[in-house]
Amino acid sequence: DTGVSQDPRHKITKRGQNVTFRCDPISEHNRLYWYRQTLGQGPEFLTYFQNEAQLEKSRLLSDRFSAERPKGSFSTLEIQRTEQGDSAMYLCASSSSGGSRGLKTQYFGPGTRLLVL
Amino acid sequence: GQSLEQPSEVTAVEGAIVQINCTYQTSGFYGLSWYQQHDGGAPTFLSYNALDGLEETGRFSSFLSRSDSYGYLLLQELQMKDSASYFCAVSAGTDKLIFGTGTRLQVFP
Repeated sequence: DTGVSQDPRHKITKRGQNVTFRCDPISEHNRLYWYRQTLGQGPEFLTYFQNEAQLEKSRLLSDRFSAERPKGSFSTLEIQRTEQGDSAMYLCASSSSGGSRGLKTQYFGPGTRLLVL
Repeated sequence: GQSLEQPSEVTAVEGAIVQINCTYQTSGFYGLSWYQQHDGGAPTFLSYNALDGLEETGRFSSFLSRSDSYGYLLLQELQMKDSASYFCAVSAGTDKLIFGTGTRLQVFP
């Protein structure tokens, strides 16, 4: 199975620490997305890459958050100086740019669950 | 602003049919998707409607009315494994998805 993978699956950290998550998309997909999901809510868009270019960032993404996709393959999401409000599930998804306009099915990874103490 | 509204919870028994509605208000619209998410799992794509009408995929069907900014997911012959959260999501002119708050479906024997 060559689906989207994320690492780590769980992360517990203390407030003020930095954390980094990794996402490996489906290999032939050139688009990669990061979402955040809190309990009882739908995923919220954070940012999106086409190949190595970061094309859109949500206003939710404060300056403590940074994402990279240096070679257009895997991506990392770093949170600096974590706060308790950052506790959430961080989901990565990938898609291809082919298909009819607007139909770019996003395939989600299992997520990284972050708990900030 | 952009918003999607879904019922928070729906219950049904095995073998029944259930409909989950979604109304949306977004700036720009390309299509409506539906995702299923089991507790602790990742969202899984179910269906997509860009044009008005009904799309059928096995036991699941999805409907869209662009003029009414409304869609629904229809689940037939419910099984216990269908117990999950279901999200509608709008593609609104960029490639990101805007998700609703989700509908928790509980299927009872």
